[in-house]
Amino acid sequence: DADVTQTPRNRITKTGKRIMLECSQTKGHDRMYWYRQDPGLGLRLIYYSFDVKDINKGEISDGYSVSRQAQAKFSLSLESAIPNQTALYFCATSDLGGTPNTGELFFGEGSRLTVL
Amino acid sequence: DQQVKQNSPSLSVQEGRISILNCDYTNSMFDYFLWYKKYPAEGPTFLISISSIKDKNEDGRFTVFLNKSAKHLSLHIVPSQPGDSAVYFCAASSITGANNLFFGTGTRLTVIP
Repeated sequence: DADVTQTPRNRITKTGKRIMLECSQTKGHDRMYWYRQDPGLGLRLIYYSFDVKDINKGEISDGYSVSRQAQAKFSLSLESAIPNQTALYFCATSDLGGTPNTGELFFGEGSRLTVL
Repeated sequence: DQQVKQNSPSLSVQEGRISILNCDYTNSMFDYFLWYKKYPAEGPTFLISISSIKDKNEDGRFTVFLNKSAKHLSLHIVPSQPGDSAVYFCAASSITGANNLFFGTGTRLTVIP
């Protein structure tokens, strides 16, 4: 089983709908992240959380919200989806107490979202 | 603005030869650099990293070189194997940036048997 699990893996929705992408991890890591990948733009950080009580905006947080329900769970919501939010979304974790300053991330397999 | 850039979207190399993937960055505060590899339908996986206090780090067939004055790093794969065919992302982080990673746009490497 994957250490970082994302659901759903694929989703097609319509403009204006609310969408939630869920992420759970079994690595016991404190830090969790949501990235989106677009062709030609690489991976960009949407939100990150260093623990359950800590939520921070990343590079491109507009139009998104997150919830850290537990150390192991971090969900990403699109309150009113729009077509330019069509992308591949990745959840990732890292170990706050691990090798210092490595920034090494462990990624889920991705959630492909299409907004029509 | 893209703080980490990979100017070559694709690279093709014959099996057994050297693959060289390049990455440039603009933020002089970056102090740690990583390479990730991504296969289709999978998340990126960590490959190799280098601290800004070093100029080279080697792990088996993979070597990363860092040129701080030029704000440039490269990944060398020798010898290249068909299983190395993937998209490679360069990433960088800094203590002042909470160690969050900034990624390049990726280079698709194809190793031809």
